[in-house]
This record gives sequence, structure tokens and C-alpha cells, in this order.
Amino acid sequence: SYELTQPPSVSVSPGQTARITCSGDALPKQYAYWYQQKPGQAPVLVIYKDSERPSGIPERFSGSSSGTTVTLTISGVQAEDEADYYCQSADSSGLMARVFGGGTKLTVL
Amino acid sequence: QLQLQESGPGLVKPSETLSLTCTVSGGSISSSSYYWGWIRQPPGKGLEWIGSIYYSGSTYYNPSLKSRVTISVDTSKNQFSLKLSSVTAADTAVYYCGTNYEGAFDIWGQGTMVTVSS
Repeated sequence: SYELTQPPSVSVSPGQTARITCSGDALPKQYAYWYQQKPGQAPVLVIYKDSERPSGIPERFSGSSSGTTVTLTISGVQAEDEADYYCQSADSSGLMARVFGGGTKLTVL
Repeated sequence: QLQLQESGPGLVKPSETLSLTCTVSGGSISSSSYYWGWIRQPPGKGLEWIGSIYYSGSTYYNPSLKSRVTISVDTSKNQFSLKLSSVTAADTAVYYCGTNYEGAFDIWGQGTMVTVSS
């Protein structure tokens, strides 16, 4: 089955830039999406179609794509950004199967 | 503003069928813009897509769950539902419903915890 691979954890100090990667063979052909999930809450979409930001999401959140890897970048990290982040995409089989990455815990030191 | 709310039993016995409903408010489930999806999250673990449905009834399932999953839509009640058969402890999770718009899950319900135990 198709998989998306994320690092389990990323740590940054406040004000620094956090980069969270997500790798998958179908990413050159399928859009990626990113979600933020804080404890006890439902996930929130922070990036769609690789690099688009939904309304209400701070400008410090951005997304990029290069080959089989997509990256979520959080510039000027704030304490409130500490959360789990999940990438999501679809496989390229044409069956429209959605897939989530395993998640990355962002720790703000 | 669309809102989604999951409902259903919080406890299901092993080998039985888990049944959940998602009620859509603030808009019509018959909107041609959306698919409607189910996602789950076992305690302390990551997200897993279960399946999605279009208002016309077209469905797409996670291949690993396909043999046990049925998702249906009731446009008259503005609801869609999940049935997962032959459950085991591994199906214990928070179950979310969400809108599936252009590939993204952009609006989520608050989630409902379902425990599989005798």
C-alpha cells in the first residue's frame, strides 16, 4: 500500500524556522495537504494543494514541493505552533485513495 | 458555514458492527462541491482515512478496510453514515467525519471516541 513518510519529531526554538518533510512516490503527480492537530482537538487544514494557505491561517505557514518530497515551513515559530502535523495526499492508482503520513511532533523549545 | 457532528455508540462489542452518523448543518450534503469522508485516529497514533462518499452515492474506501466498510448518504436527513463490521480492539479510535473538498479534508467534526470491548 502507498505510504507517506514524515520524521517523527522536529524541535525548534521560538522565532526560528521549522521545516517538516513528507516523502512519497506519487507526490510529483498528486497534491499534498498539511494539517495541524493540537491535543484533544480535531485536525485543522493549514496548507492545501502543496502551497496554498486557507483563509485564517497565519502567513508564517507555507508549503513547497520538489520531486517526491513536500515541505511544510513555519517561519518565526511561536509557542502556539507546538502540535502534531500530518501530511496527506492520494495514491496514483486512480482509485482516489487518500493517505496520511505518520505525523510529526513539533516541539517549541 | 458548514458544521459536522458525529454521533453513535461509544462502546461496541468485538465482532459486532460499529455504526456512526455524521450530521451536516449550515449547508446541503447534496452540494456538488464536496465529497464527505470518515477518518479515524487510534489513541496516541496517527490519522487513517477510512473512506469518502459523493452525494450521488459513489464511494471510495481505504483498501485495507474495504472488506469491512460501508459508507452511505441520506440526503433527506443531510447525513452520511459509516458502518464497520467485525470490529476488534484495533478499531478503537476517535472517529472523525469531514468534508473532502478538492482532495483536502477542510472541515472536520469534533470527533467521537469509539471503544471496542466486551
